[in-house]
Order: sequence, then structure tokens, then C-alpha cells
Amino acid sequence: SQTIHQWPATLVQPVGSPLSLECTVEGTSNPNLYWYRQAAGRGLQLLFYSVGIGQISSEVPQNLSASRPQDRQFILSSKKLLLSDSGFYLCAWSGGGVREKLFFGSGTQLSVL
Amino acid sequence: AQTVTQSQPEMSVQEAETVTLSCTYDTSENNYYLFWYKQPPSRQMILVIRQEAYKQQNATENRFSVNFQKAAKSFSLKISDSQLGDTAMYFCAFMTGETSGSRLTFGEGTQLTVNP
Repeated sequence: SQTIHQWPATLVQPVGSPLSLECTVEGTSNPNLYWYRQAAGRGLQLLFYSVGIGQISSEVPQNLSASRPQDRQFILSSKKLLLSDSGFYLCAWSGGGVREKLFFGSGTQLSVL
Repeated sequence: AQTVTQSQPEMSVQEAETVTLSCTYDTSENNYYLFWYKQPPSRQMILVIRQEAYKQQNATENRFSVNFQKAAKSFSLKISDSQLGDTAMYFCAFMTGETSGSRLTFGEGTQLTVNP
């Protein structure tokens, strides 16, 4: 069966520090991968998605970047965090012939202080 | 661009009763999918139900059913026999029918509280 791992669960970082959040999927190949952000009490905003290794599409201009160095690995990064980067970050995947179904990781709560 | 609107920020219902959550969307696409996701206090996103736009029959999953009105671009969720475990934030979401890179657009959510 397929599983998605996302870590860390909680992260507190100072303004101006770098960021690296990692997401990996097991049990499938060539998945679509997604990074979403959720502000407190709000809906999810799509940040990045990837349909293959090295292929990244950005939905909104921002202080963040994403990379896909391996088929089932998706990384969200920042060189210098801003206060506005605080939020709940969710990784998701879809695939296996049913690409319209997204499965989400457990999320990372990022607090930038 | 597609938009999803949930006009009810909060709702409450008594245990064992029925509640309906509203959702409207705007798109020029003809082929798309609609979803309801549940986010309990654990914050895990859980798919509740899915509807393909080309299907006229409303989707059902046990106590959960939808009322899909394509012409009106309306997609409401009905929860029957509400249970305490149904307490969660519910998100309506839209996805175009592209075969690759499909993006899920979410509404702002409805916080549902089931009271004992």
C-alpha cells in the first residue's frame, strides 16, 4: 500500500534562517506531488506541484522554492524565512491511474519568530 | 481561474441529526471533479467523497452524500445521522480533468460541530 511521510511535524525557526521540509512517498512510482500551505482557520493554498523528477511548477510567487531530486521525494525550501512564511504545510501525492485523488501527509506546523 | 466558495464559516448540529454544508464553484471547464475533504483536530486531510462532473448520479459514501447541481454550479454535502466524530473542518475542493499536474482548489472551509 502507498504511504506518505512528511517531517518534521513541528518546526520553530527564527526570521532569516533557512528551511528544508521533506516529503517522501512509498509504494507507488511517478506520482504527482504537491505542497500546500494552510493559514490558521483558512483553506489550503497550492504552492508547488511536480509531475516528474526535476519538474516543478509554482502557483504563487513567494519566498519559497521546491525541488524533486528523486521520483518519490519532494522538498520545500527557503534561503531566508519571513514571518509571513508561518503556517501549516501539507505535502500530497496522487497517481496510480487515479490522479484526481490526492492523499495528504500529516503536515508540518512552521512558526517563524 | 476556478474559484470555490463556502458561505458557511461555522455550523452546528445535534448528534444523530442531518446537516447540509453548502459549496458553490465557478469554472468554464466541462470536465472536472469535485471533492469534500474533512480535517479533524489532528489536521489530517481526509477525503470524504468525490464526484465526477460527467456523472449525473450523486455520489454517496455511507452517511455522506452530495447534491450536485451542475447547471447551478452547486455541490452540497449532506451528513446523515451525525456523530461526534464528524466534528471537523470541511473543505469543498475542485479539480480540472487534466491528466497531469491537476491542481486541487479549496474553499475556505466550514467548521462543523456535532453536539451531544
